Amino acid sequence: DARVTQTPRHKVTEMGQEVTMRCQPILGHNTVFWYRQTMMQGLELLAYFRNRAPLDDSGMPKDRFSAEMPDATLATLKIQPSEPRDSAVYFCASGRYSGNTIYFGEGSWLTVV
Amino acid sequence: LAKTTQPISMDSYEGQEVNITCSHNNIATNDYITWYQQFPSQGPRFIIQGYKTKVTNEVASLFIPADRKSSTLSLPRVSLSDTAVYYCLRAAGNKLTFGGGTRVLVKP
Repeated sequence: DARVTQTPRHKVTEMGQEVTMRCQPILGHNTVFWYRQTMMQGLELLAYFRNRAPLDDSGMPKDRFSAEMPDATLATLKIQPSEPRDSAVYFCASGRYSGNTIYFGEGSWLTVV
Repeated sequence: LAKTTQPISMDSYEGQEVNITCSHNNIATNDYITWYQQFPSQGPRFIIQGYKTKVTNEVASLFIPADRKSSTLSLPRVSLSDTAVYYCLRAAGNKLTFGGGTRVLVKP
């Protein structure tokens, strides 16, 4: 059963530390998304890649967040330096550009203290 | 400007049918209507999608009237495990913007 895989599942870190979250999209999917979910803001789209190229990262704080796809099987979201307000669940999702649905991973639960 | 509008929450009882209506007055010609379900501590999960009329699968039914300005997700005979947040989205591709969703609580 194909699925999106995210690591780490849980991360607790101190303010100021670098955090890297990784995502393996479903094989054959050429679009990858990073979402952030908090109680206050709900699900927010941070970044969107198609064929490994970033198409939209307007939802991402540029000063501390960066997203990349080193290859078709790996997407990364990095926060440097992390702040307590970054505490959230970060979801990766993937899909086919020609389709209308995307499939989510189980999320990376980040706590910055 | 919200792309869709849906109730914040709904309560129901086991065995009942739950209908969640979503408004999307400004829907574009190319937009599909898609519904996702999210259980606590999990990522959203696709449940159903349609363009117009009625679509049914093993989980739910989706009713979209001819003007496409609204849609209704129908969950037949819900169980406690259907307690979740249900999101209504409209999009022409797979770049999905989520609203607040509807929290459905199924009671015994």
